[in-house]
Amino acid sequence: GAVVSQHPSWVICKSGTSVKIECRSLDFQATTMFWYRQFPKQSLMLMATSNEGSKATYEQGVEKDKFLINHASLTLSTLTVTSAHPEDSSFYICSARDARISSYNSPLHFGNGTRLTVT
Amino acid sequence: RKEVEQDPGPFNVPEGATVAFNCTYSNSASQSFFWYRQDCRKEPKLLMSVYSSGNEDGRFTAQLNRASQYISLLIRDSKLSDSATYLCVPGPGGSQGNLIFGKGTKLSVKP
Repeated sequence: GAVVSQHPSWVICKSGTSVKIECRSLDFQATTMFWYRQFPKQSLMLMATSNEGSKATYEQGVEKDKFLINHASLTLSTLTVTSAHPEDSSFYICSARDARISSYNSPLHFGNGTRLTVT
Repeated sequence: RKEVEQDPGPFNVPEGATVAFNCTYSNSASQSFFWYRQDCRKEPKLLMSVYSSGNEDGRFTAQLNRASQYISLLIRDSKLSDSATYLCVPGPGGSQGNLIFGKGTKLSVKP
């Protein structure tokens, strides 16, 4: 159980274009999903918290107009990197917690990640 | 002060060896602890959850010492496939319910 699917697994795009990443919880509902980013040899860093039916919460230093998040249903959150630049090249990973287990003490389950390369 | 402190390694061990990773955490209110493993260029995968004094799953044993704010992971009979980075993650983490990750401990099991 608790499978999170992320698509695409990798994408190469040109500078200035936009890229959309989808994150789906396959066998559970998630009112909240978390988007992380990981640069080489660095730890996972939280970018934003995606809330179903409401606005996302962004971490300090993350531009909300550049990283658009939509959480339109209990099983789908999308992250759109707008006007991507080479410095946005990174590993983007979504995660979710089963809404049936409301405690923050339960683990997060991760999607397989999206490796974005902006040329 | 960092949320967790882990020896970054790398730990280089031969197949069949027993290896232990230590982790100290700063938040005494932490109620749950997770060990994740992350392979190179992959997502973290949950290895074990710890809610009481410890947990055991096959070759993997986690022990928690709340008084010392210390948790360990023991891997017995190491396999080549155990090579990965092991992340100690206390929960709850951030105010949004997110988990906060460090860089973990890198393990390399050699034939």
